[in-house]
Parts: sequence; C-alpha cells; structure tokens
Amino acid sequence: QVQLVESGGGVVQSGRSLRLSCAASGFRFSSHGMNWVRQAPGKGLEWVAVIWFDGRNKYYADSVKGRFTISRDNSKNTLHLQMNSLRVEDTAVYYCARGRKQLVLFDSWGQGTPVIVSS
Amino acid sequence: DIQMTQSPSTLSASVGDRVTITCRASQSIGNWLAWYQQKPGKAPKLLIYEASTLESGVPSGFSGSGSGTEFTLTISSLQPDDFATYYCQQYNSYSGGTFGQGTKLEIK
Repeated sequence: QVQLVESGGGVVQSGRSLRLSCAASGFRFSSHGMNWVRQAPGKGLEWVAVIWFDGRNKYYADSVKGRFTISRDNSKNTLHLQMNSLRVEDTAVYYCARGRKQLVLFDSWGQGTPVIVSS
Repeated sequence: DIQMTQSPSTLSASVGDRVTITCRASQSIGNWLAWYQQKPGKAPKLLIYEASTLESGVPSGFSGSGSGTEFTLTISSLQPDDFATYYCQQYNSYSGGTFGQGTKLEIK
C-alpha cells in the first residue's frame, strides 16, 4: 500500500534553515507529482509546493516563494523540502502528499512532521 | 489567485442528521473541486474529487455536487465517525491548489 513517511522536522530559530524529507513506497514514485502541505497549530490546511513527476516543474505558494525549495530523487523515491530564512509563521505540521497523476489533488498523505520556528 | 470560502465554519448536528457544507470559489474552477476529512491529530483523507466522484472506500453516505463556483458536500445520515473537520480544495491549476478554511462538524 502507499506509504509516505516524513522526517526532518524540529525546533529551529527564526532565520535558520531546515530540510524535510519524505520517503515514499508502495507505488511508482516517478509517475506522480508530489506536494508539501502544511497546517499551523489550530489552523487550516495550506498548500506549500508541488513538483512534477520528472522534477522539471516546481511551483510554490506566495508565502514561501524564494525561501523554500522542493526537490525529488526518483532513484531513491524521496521528496525534499529545503526551508531557508524560516519565520515564526512557518511553524506548522508539514505533510507530504501524493498528487493523483499530475493533478494537485492529494490522494495519499504522510503522518506529518512538526516544524517549530522560535524567535 | 483563486480563493475558496466554506460555510459554515462550525456545524452542530446529531447522529442521523443530514448535513450540507458549502464551498464557493472566487472564480470558475469547472468541477476541479475536492473534499477532505480530517480528524484531530491525523492527516486529511480524500473523500470526493471532481466535485462529485466518491474516492474508493468512502461510505456512500457522502456526496458532492456543484460546478463553476458553487459546491456542496452532503452527508445523508451522520454517523459517529463523521464528526471531524472538512475542507474543500480547488485544483484547477497544475501550479497549485487552494483550500477552504474548513468546517468543523460537532456533535450537538
């Protein structure tokens, strides 16, 4: 079955960097767009970034554009999110989510990894 | 950017009730609309896509309708397991998706 396991979350000071990873299994990773979605404490869901199946196209929410970079390694079935210049408002649980085909439609989710940015 | 607005924000209902949640898009999104269910401390779960297509394994008591800018999620007869927060999401573009702010369905 589809499995997505995030890692790399933690507590970090404002202005610093953090790199999240998502290990995928149970499906053909290289055939799916992959996404990061976050949820601040007590708040709703916010789409963060998408990378197409072949890694050639990447798109970001305005709130993270220029600071976050999504990437993937199809040889290792792994998705990454490099987060630079972190802000307190980036505090959230970060979910890795599989896109259905190349759509930004999330049909499988990881359990999430928490990121806390302190001032 | 496309904005998604859900109503109500909170809904109190009883087991067996029929409930409807509304989602409005700031511009037409065709039928590129999904609904998710999220329980506390858990990842969201896809319920409905393309506005009205039930995801595999989702109980038939859930249904979706609408197109363009107005969409609804209906639960025909609330079960104890249905009390959760529901989000709509547009996926009209390959370059990103937008969620509604969520509707918390509470036990009356």
